[in-house]
Amino acid sequence: SAVISQKPSRDICQRGTSLTIQCQVDSQVTMMFWYRQQPGQSLTLIATANQGSEATYESGFVIDKFPISRPNLTFSTLTVSNMSPEDSSIYLCSVEMRGGSYNEQFFGPGTRLTVL
Amino acid sequence: AQSVAQPEDQVNVAEGNPLTVKCTYSVSGNPYLFWYVQYPNRGLQFLLKYITGDNLVKGSYGFEAEFNKSQTSFHLKKPSALVSDSALYFCAVTPQYSGNTPLVFGKGTRLSVIA
Repeated sequence: SAVISQKPSRDICQRGTSLTIQCQVDSQVTMMFWYRQQPGQSLTLIATANQGSEATYESGFVIDKFPISRPNLTFSTLTVSNMSPEDSSIYLCSVEMRGGSYNEQFFGPGTRLTVL
Repeated sequence: AQSVAQPEDQVNVAEGNPLTVKCTYSVSGNPYLFWYVQYPNRGLQFLLKYITGDNLVKGSYGFEAEFNKSQTSFHLKKPSALVSDSALYFCAVTPQYSGNTPLVFGKGTRLSVIA
């Protein structure tokens, strides 16, 4: 299993500013994912972040809005840039770890972002 | 592309009664299937998964789920609901192959257990 921590756990931000969310894992992992959970909605994948390569973004998400860093095998950051109230969501970090024939996915506690 | 449908936004059940939260999926090939639970102001917690083998999977907190390939379903069940089971439940799927594909989630079903 993996223990994942996120900072901050929650924040309230002003429109037009940016927030960087940190994700720390207690073991080395190749695959890390960032999800968004808008109020009352399901989890939507933003991007996949592999160490040593550029993040791969899902349809509807772009690097200018959600830049991601992956400097090593235990850490990643997601920045929400030029925020608007529509960015108010829970942002979750997730990692994939190999377990036999299946790679299991673990989730961090999430960062609850409110944009005023 | 894979997808998950949870047809019910809300399920209400009386404490002590059996509960079912429905999930159907679409995936190329065979699926890996999961249920997660999210309590208020908490992260996602893993409940159970189907990888292979017995179609009836038992998980945490007395929950179980039955994989039905012909109906492409993976309904979550519990014989006797508790008030503390009230939470948001997510079904998720990923295709069964050796590559690395992140989970795709359903929209979630809010379970309310009434005392």
